[in-house]
Order: sequence, then C-alpha cells, then structure tokens
Amino acid sequence: QVQLQESGPGLVKPSGTLSLTCDVSGGSISSSYWWSWVRQPPGKGLEWIGEIYHSGSTNYNPSLKSRVTISLDKSKNQFSLKLSSVTAADTAVYYCARGNIMVRGGKYYHYMDVWGKGTTVTVSS
Amino acid sequence: DIQMTQSPSSLSASVGDRVTITCRASQSISSYLNWYQQNPGKAPKLLIYAASSLQSGVPSRFSGSGSGTDFTLTISSLQPEDFATYYCQQSYSVPWTFGQGTKVDIK
Repeated sequence: QVQLQESGPGLVKPSGTLSLTCDVSGGSISSSYWWSWVRQPPGKGLEWIGEIYHSGSTNYNPSLKSRVTISLDKSKNQFSLKLSSVTAADTAVYYCARGNIMVRGGKYYHYMDVWGKGTTVTVSS
Repeated sequence: DIQMTQSPSSLSASVGDRVTITCRASQSISSYLNWYQQNPGKAPKLLIYAASSLQSGVPSRFSGSGSGTDFTLTISSLQPEDFATYYCQQSYSVPWTFGQGTKVDIK
C-alpha cells in the first residue's frame, strides 16, 4: 500500500525559504493522482496549500500562490514544496497527501485518501 | 473561496451515543464533500468522500449525508477510538477548503 513520508528542516529563519520533500513508497508518483500539501498551525485547523498532478499541472491556494512552488521528481518518486519569504505565521505541521479521483455519474470527485505523518516546521531566528 | 462552517465546534458524548456533526457550505457544492478524522498528534484520516461514500476500512457506524449546502456526519454508536476532531472539506472548487473542526470528547 502507498505510504508517504515528509522530510526537511524543522527550523527556518524568517524571510527564508521552507523546503520539504514527500517520499512516495509502495506506488508510483507517475500514477494518475494529485499530490498535495496541507498544513496545520499549532492548535488550529487544516489549510490546503496546493497540489500537483502526475503530468506536472498544478493548483495553488491563492492566499499562498505568490510564495509557493510544488514540483515532482519522478526519478526519486517524490514531490516537493517550496514556500518563500516565510514568517512566524508559516509555523505549522506540514502534511503531504495523495489526491484521488472517483468518477460517478459523469462527475469527478476529489478526496485525499493517503496522508504522511506530518513534519513540524518552525519559523524563528 | 468557499467557506465551510461546522457545528458544533465541540461536543461531549458517551460511548454508545449517536453523534451528529453538521457542515454548511457558503454556496452549493453538490455532493463534493469529504469528512476526515484527526486524533491528537496524528495525520487526518479520510472517513467519507463524495458526501456519502464510506472509505475502505472505515467502520460502518460512520455515515455521511447531504447535498447542496448542508451536510451531516453521523456516528451511530460512539466508540472509545472515535474521540477525535472531525473536519469537513469541499472539493467543488479550488482552493479546497476545510471546516474549522468539531472536537468530540468524553462526557
């Protein structure tokens, strides 16, 4: 079964760039799925950051779009998140997730069915 | 962006209780609604997708209903492992957005 694992620095300086990687095991990142990033500030709810399709197409949250880049590395079977110009407000647990699609009645239903365990990123000097 | 509002924000219940959580969208989203369960310090877990489809491996005591703007997650008989926070999420249009969460704790 597919498993996801986030990795990256746990501490990033203000104004710096947050860089995380999600390793995909038990399946191919080239399969027909969306690969997402979601974050959760301490004690708060979930915020979707963006996603990338196996073809390389991307969708981003407009609230973060100017600072976010999500990319694929098919040779390593992983995808990555870069968030620039970070502030303390970007301190959160960051999750990677697989976006699956179900077709029913001609409609395409998207849902995140496999999640990594999450990695904590703190923005501080 | 589509705003998702859950009610209540928290509730206290006992093992065996029937629990209902409501999610309302700021506009019609047809059946593009998912439910997740999150335990403290853990990743979210998909329970229900497309408003009423049970994810594989999820106990049948969980069910979802609704369409348009109003949705419900029901736990028919609360079990000890169900004390957690529940989130709804719309998949009608990007950006995908979540409700603020409903925390279910022990009465």
